[in-house]
Amino acid sequence: AQSVTQLDSHVSVSEGTPVLLRCNYSSSYSPSLFWYVQHPNKGLQLLLKYTSAATLVKGINGFEAEFKKSETSFHLTKPSAHMSDAAEYFCVVSDEGGSYIPTFGRGTSLIVHP
Amino acid sequence: DGGITQSPKYLFRKEGQNVTLSCEQNLNHDAMYWYRQDPGQGLRLIYYSQIVNDFQKGDIAEGYSVSREKKESFPLTVTSAQKNPTAFYLCASRNRGRVTEAFFGQGTRLTVV
Repeated sequence: AQSVTQLDSHVSVSEGTPVLLRCNYSSSYSPSLFWYVQHPNKGLQLLLKYTSAATLVKGINGFEAEFKKSETSFHLTKPSAHMSDAAEYFCVVSDEGGSYIPTFGRGTSLIVHP
Repeated sequence: DGGITQSPKYLFRKEGQNVTLSCEQNLNHDAMYWYRQDPGQGLRLIYYSQIVNDFQKGDIAEGYSVSREKKESFPLTVTSAQKNPTAFYLCASRNRGRVTEAFFGQGTRLTVV
């Protein structure tokens, strides 16, 4: 069985300050992990993915995430927030033991203040 | 351009009606998925299909039905048995395998009137 917990439903930052969106996962196998972003009334866009090649993963728009197996975490970070980063972010796990069905966290809403 | 197309973007349903949401992909992906999105609940899996002519129930399949007669198409029918159908519906597809990400359509917003 696999599951994802996004630890914050909302995160509020000022423009130009760092962003941290937290994600913990549970998986019976070696997981693949993803972060997606969703702007209002839109589909989901992939930010980055972890596939065991490297624990620090760089994505689009300056985002990156670090896979920490000992902590079962995959937190998303960005050094400096931009107003256009305001959106909903989803952490997703897909493990290799079964049918690879993507399982979503409940999402974190990122609010960016001027 | 390759991608996933959902239609319509907005859909209104009267009480007791069945409605069908369209999802078409030209990415040659084997697997397709339907998710329902409600505020604060993330995405919940309704149905999925790994190959043509085969599909499986997800976590919240009651009141929904699907078909997979062609690789590129995976329509979702919201039946009158679904008591609370108002939501945002997202279709996704991916290649089978561990490391591939899912690609999403732009969604259909269904409202009961």
